[in-house]
Amino acid sequence: DQQVKQNSPSLSVQEGRISILNCDYTNSMFDYFLWYKKYPAEGPTFLISISSIKDKNEDGRFTVFLNKSAKHLSLHIVPSQPGDSAVYFCAASSLIGSSNTGKLIFGQGTTLQVKP
Amino acid sequence: DGGITQSPKYLFRKEGQNVTLSCEQNLNHDAMYWYRQDPGQGLRLIYYSQIVNDFQKGDIAEGYSVSREKKESFPLTVTSAQKNPTAFYLCASSGDRGSGANVLTFGAGSRLTVL
Repeated sequence: DQQVKQNSPSLSVQEGRISILNCDYTNSMFDYFLWYKKYPAEGPTFLISISSIKDKNEDGRFTVFLNKSAKHLSLHIVPSQPGDSAVYFCAASSLIGSSNTGKLIFGQGTTLQVKP
Repeated sequence: DGGITQSPKYLFRKEGQNVTLSCEQNLNHDAMYWYRQDPGQGLRLIYYSQIVNDFQKGDIAEGYSVSREKKESFPLTVTSAQKNPTAFYLCASSGDRGSGANVLTFGAGSRLTVL
């Protein structure tokens, strides 16, 4: 049972335009969400996160939106740059009480290609 | 520089052999994790440890074993019982969850290939 899903395996955008990566989750116990970026043969690096008490968090060119009722989050990158080309993973966890094990549940990843 | 060191970066194994992947962190993090990455399947949790001398199975623990004798170290052994061991293995750690942050820091990974 895939609790965190990224239904688009790949996305291609032109440099300077907006990239929108989507993620859906099924477990209503999740209350903290993160996006990671990964280059080939390297470990993922943390990009941005959002708590379930918010619906938006912004950090420079990166903005994450959370729609709890739809169990959906998205990552917006504006403007997109060729260096943003990588695999993006969304992840979820629960910080509530005994559910707070610290482990993250990851989606399958979306490969973003930003063309010059 | 604080971080997580995984070794070896590339490892080849013959069928039937056990191999151990090393993971060392100098971030003073309590919790450590092992994930496996396969194409199209994202990262799947193998084992995790929230404190020294304690660890729990993740979603795909069969065929793997771990130990946590020191805070800094969380080695993963891929045993011959693991049916499909060829994959990219990622070790991670995290600090104080009480702060509300649950950010994992990852190592650079180890690629295991079974010949």
